[in-house]
Amino acid sequence: AQKVTQAQTEISVVEKEDVTLDCVYETRDTTYYLFWYKQPPSGELVFLIRRNSFDEQNEISGRYSWNFQKSTSSFNFTITASQVVDSAVYFCALSALRTGGFKTIFGAGTRLFVKA
Amino acid sequence: DTEVTQTPKHLVMGMTNKKSLKCEQHMGHRAMYWYKQKAKKPPELMFVYSYEKLSINESVPSRFSPECPNSSLLNLHLHALQPEDSALYLCASSQGTGAKGYTFGSGTRLTVV
Repeated sequence: AQKVTQAQTEISVVEKEDVTLDCVYETRDTTYYLFWYKQPPSGELVFLIRRNSFDEQNEISGRYSWNFQKSTSSFNFTITASQVVDSAVYFCALSALRTGGFKTIFGAGTRLFVKA
Repeated sequence: DTEVTQTPKHLVMGMTNKKSLKCEQHMGHRAMYWYKQKAKKPPELMFVYSYEKLSINESVPSRFSPECPNSSLLNLHLHALQPEDSALYLCASSQGTGAKGYTFGSGTRLTVV
């Protein structure tokens, strides 16, 4: 069975603080993909990053960085020097091949509030 | 502007009404998806279309009927819905199987009265 756990329901920080969003996943598949999506109040989910199960290289994109560790089944997301515009719900997601195609399941989401 | 366009943005319908949600993309993606998202919950997969054929139906009640007229369009026909069906309905598309991630539309916020 597949499962994605985002234990942090809500996080509140002050602008310019660093914040890490945790994601722990479970799967028996050897090939799978992990994602982070951002959902601002407008409702649209915005793709942030994708990692496949064979690539544990960490990635940095501007103020965003991701740490993928297969040994602990974690795919954590850090925002450095947070800004008010980072306020949103962030979803971690896991995708693996099933009959009919890749099926993606989402974690419960972490709501991030960044205060000015 | 989002590359996946959903209409209408908001819809209020009675339990005896018939309505349709529309989704359009022009990125050449061959897989399209319907997700349902209740307030403060994650999106839940409803249907997957691959090359205009229904490939995954997550045991969705028959009052929801998807349709893919061509590779750019995806519809969700609604009939005899219940108040608990009120939610944000998100359409997404992807290249191939979706392993590279999805492009989502802004959603249709549906209220059933």
